[in-house]
Amino acid sequence: EIVLTQSPGTLSLSPGDRATLSCRASQSFSSYLAWYQQKPGQAPRLLIYAASNRATGIPDRFSGSGSGTDFTLTITRLEPEDFAVYYCQQYGSSLTFGGGTKVEIK
Amino acid sequence: QVQLQESGPGLVKPSQTLSLTCTVSGGSISSGVYYWSWLRQHPGKGLEWIGFINYSGSAYYNPSLKSRVTISVDTSKDHFSLNLTSVSAADTAVYYCARRWGYFDLWGQGTLVTVSS
Repeated sequence: EIVLTQSPGTLSLSPGDRATLSCRASQSFSSYLAWYQQKPGQAPRLLIYAASNRATGIPDRFSGSGSGTDFTLTITRLEPEDFAVYYCQQYGSSLTFGGGTKVEIK
Repeated sequence: QVQLQESGPGLVKPSQTLSLTCTVSGGSISSGVYYWSWLRQHPGKGLEWIGFINYSGSAYYNPSLKSRVTISVDTSKDHFSLNLTSVSAADTAVYYCARRWGYFDLWGQGTLVTVSS
């Protein structure tokens, strides 16, 4: 099973800051990686698929990059509604989720 | 637009079977390209996939839950269902249904199921 490790566990930032979230895999699986955003009491929302493709309706301040074992989600300028928990998920070999990164207001 | 909605009991007794249904509206479950999925999230924890099924009934389960899980599909009603047997307090979680094409692009709102006597 591919293990996904997300870091940091918590990111304390201010609105307008740049957020960089990491997702590292225990083995390579090409670019079959997705990112989700989850706010309290809500279902996850797909942000990015295939490592770098934004899902429908996702603002362009969200971008994904990486391949192999190292992936990054970048939020260029944090808006108040972006403070949430973010999960990565691989679907190249079965499927697994990372443990999440919480982006909180500093 | 396609929407998913979970339904079922919010409270289940230990050792009994948890049964949930996900109704697909605004589209057909028989579209062919998707897998219809169940996931769960324990309180304050991350996401765990339970299993998924396609319109023809081919199902795949998380090995950690496989012995207790059955997912079925009813294309005539555009819904799919989850049965989880022999539940314990460790099965208390928010259960989500979702549409999967590798990634999960559409989710239900989730339903909290508590296992308690």
